Amino acid sequence: DIVMTQSPLSLPVTPGEPATISCRSSQSLLHSNGNNYLDWYLQKPGQSPQLLIYLGSDRASGVPDRFSGSGSGTDFTLKISRVEAEDVGVYYCMQALHTPPRSFGQGTKLEIK
Amino acid sequence: EVQLVESGGGLVQPGGSLRLSCAASGFSFSDYNMNWVRLAPGRGLEWVSYISGSSNTIYYADSVKGRFTVSRDNAKNSLYLQMTGLRAEDTAVYYCARKGTVLVPAALDYWGQGTLVTVSS
Repeated sequence: DIVMTQSPLSLPVTPGEPATISCRSSQSLLHSNGNNYLDWYLQKPGQSPQLLIYLGSDRASGVPDRFSGSGSGTDFTLKISRVEAEDVGVYYCMQALHTPPRSFGQGTKLEIK
Repeated sequence: EVQLVESGGGLVQPGGSLRLSCAASGFSFSDYNMNWVRLAPGRGLEWVSYISGSSNTIYYADSVKGRFTVSRDNAKNSLYLQMTGLRAEDTAVYYCARKGTVLVPAALDYWGQGTLVTVSS
């Protein structure tokens, strides 16, 4: 099974400052079609997970453009250009290429300083 | 508007059974593959099961294989998870999640609000 490793696991951020979360896969997530099958999800406190980024860098509908995804192969990054209070929660990466099973990272808890 | 509403969670003793349901609305249910994902206390998200739109393809996580059974009734726009032989480590919030198609390939684009399953004596 694919192992997804996120860092850091805890991320205190001052509002207005940028934030970066890394995700590494134990195998390449690059498909022969050129797409990287890596998604990012955010689970806000008391809510269900929501899709932020799919195919490594495509923002889901309604996701603010301060969120961006990048990377290819085994190394991926989620960046928030300017953190807002509403961005607190746990961020997960998930691989969707080598399934089953779908594999999630351990989660990164973003909190406001 | 796409909606997924889970139900059926509750307190059950170890070794017991429970059936979760997920009612879907706002989209053509039979056209979409569906998943169950769980979040255990103090842990991260864990994929549990997958079922294709026609029910022809079904997968399970190793942790639940042989104990859980996923099914769907497209006429009722409903997804189910029959859980037997429940263990303390199955305690979690269970979410149903829709797998996207052409526009959002492979990602889980909509999630329900979740239903809590507690396995304890």
